[in-house]
Amino acid sequence: AQSVTQLGSHVSVSEGALVLLRCNYSSSVPPYLFWYVQYPNQGLQLLLKYTTGATLVKGINGFEAEFKKSETSFHLTKPSAHMSDAAEYFCAVTLGGGKLIFGQGTELSVKP
Amino acid sequence: DTEVTQTPKHLVMGMTNKKSLKCEQHMGHRAMYWYKQKAKKPPELMFVYSYEKLSINESVPSRFSPECPNSSLLNLHLHALQPEDSALYLCASSPPGSETQYFGPGTRLLVL
Repeated sequence: AQSVTQLGSHVSVSEGALVLLRCNYSSSVPPYLFWYVQYPNQGLQLLLKYTTGATLVKGINGFEAEFKKSETSFHLTKPSAHMSDAAEYFCAVTLGGGKLIFGQGTELSVKP
Repeated sequence: DTEVTQTPKHLVMGMTNKKSLKCEQHMGHRAMYWYKQKAKKPPELMFVYSYEKLSINESVPSRFSPECPNSSLLNLHLHALQPEDSALYLCASSPPGSETQYFGPGTRLLVL
């Protein structure tokens, strides 16, 4: 069965600092992997996705993630945090068929 | 038109009321989804429609009744809900042949 673990339910960084949000997955075969962001009282916005091909994936708002099969990880990074990055971030996986499995989410706070 | 829209944005209903949530997309997507999201939790899949046919029902109580009248429209009919059904209800859609889900802004439901 697939599962997703996001390490750290809350991450706090200073403005301008590196953002690193961790995601590990459990799957018998390489899955499709996604990162979504959710701002307060809004829906989920797709940040980036990995399906096949290049393992370093670039997304919107300066975020990127690297698929590491050997570590079963798909960590999200951004070199320099901005106040507007404060939000809830969800990692998700699927093997297909429409079932997205979400992690528990990581709330990112950005201090001025 | 490159987005998923949901109406209403907010809904308050009593336990004896009947109401409906509406989701629309005009991107040619042929898979549509309903999710329920409680505060500080990831979205939980409720239903999946593929080519206007119900393909997944995640053992959702019958007081929730989905309907897909055409390829652009998805409804969720609500009847005799309980206070614990209060949540953010999210709709999503996927292009043909893709596992990527694009979310709407959600309907915030409060059951009194």
